[in-house]
Amino acid sequence: SQQGEEDPQALSIQEGENATMNCSYKTSINNLQWYRQNSGRGLVHLILIRSNEREKHSGRLRVTLDTSKKSSSLLITASRAADTASYFCVGDNDMRFGAGTRLTVKP
Amino acid sequence: GAVVSQHPSRVICKSGTSVKIECRSLDFQATTMFWYRQFPKQSLMLMATSNEGSKATYEQGVEKDKFLINHASLTLSTLTVTSAHPEDSSFYICSARDRLGNTEAFFGQGTRLTVV
Repeated sequence: SQQGEEDPQALSIQEGENATMNCSYKTSINNLQWYRQNSGRGLVHLILIRSNEREKHSGRLRVTLDTSKKSSSLLITASRAADTASYFCVGDNDMRFGAGTRLTVKP
Repeated sequence: GAVVSQHPSRVICKSGTSVKIECRSLDFQATTMFWYRQFPKQSLMLMATSNEGSKATYEQGVEKDKFLINHASLTLSTLTVTSAHPEDSSFYICSARDRLGNTEAFFGQGTRLTVV
């Protein structure tokens, strides 16, 4: 069974726009991590947010966490064509992945 | 950040042979390692979780006799695909973590296995 479930499954935007994707998880967590994967490649760690944190920033990334709803969101501001990739969230207590969000940023 | 090295990055083997994939944590002790497989245009599917010095825990539907996992040291885990068949062709990725809690899991670069 999958732990993280991302929404939407696909998102297409123009360069410069913001991209928001959401994730829900099932079991309790100590932390939640977001990853990016370019087609056919390994995963790149983007950001980790701890269960006692509500929001975290890293460059153009902003992650929120709502443990009461078991949900998280990833915001990418001022998107670039290079941000085109699949994005996943995963909780540390259950390292199963959801389907991910496929983001396409058009130049 | 910490580095996880996975080798080989790409392998082609004949049907019926076995293939070993290595996953090494280069600058930390990986008490837990995870093995995934990923088919084209699909997400990562967790195959098994291994803790150093103990037997791996396999996900439902994953054959433990076909996918042998060894985690004999704190820096190395191996996945051996035994008697490989074309349907085993996939992208295999490992991940390592030093402890449960406030640490991230680091991923290897993946291994593209093609069975001909």
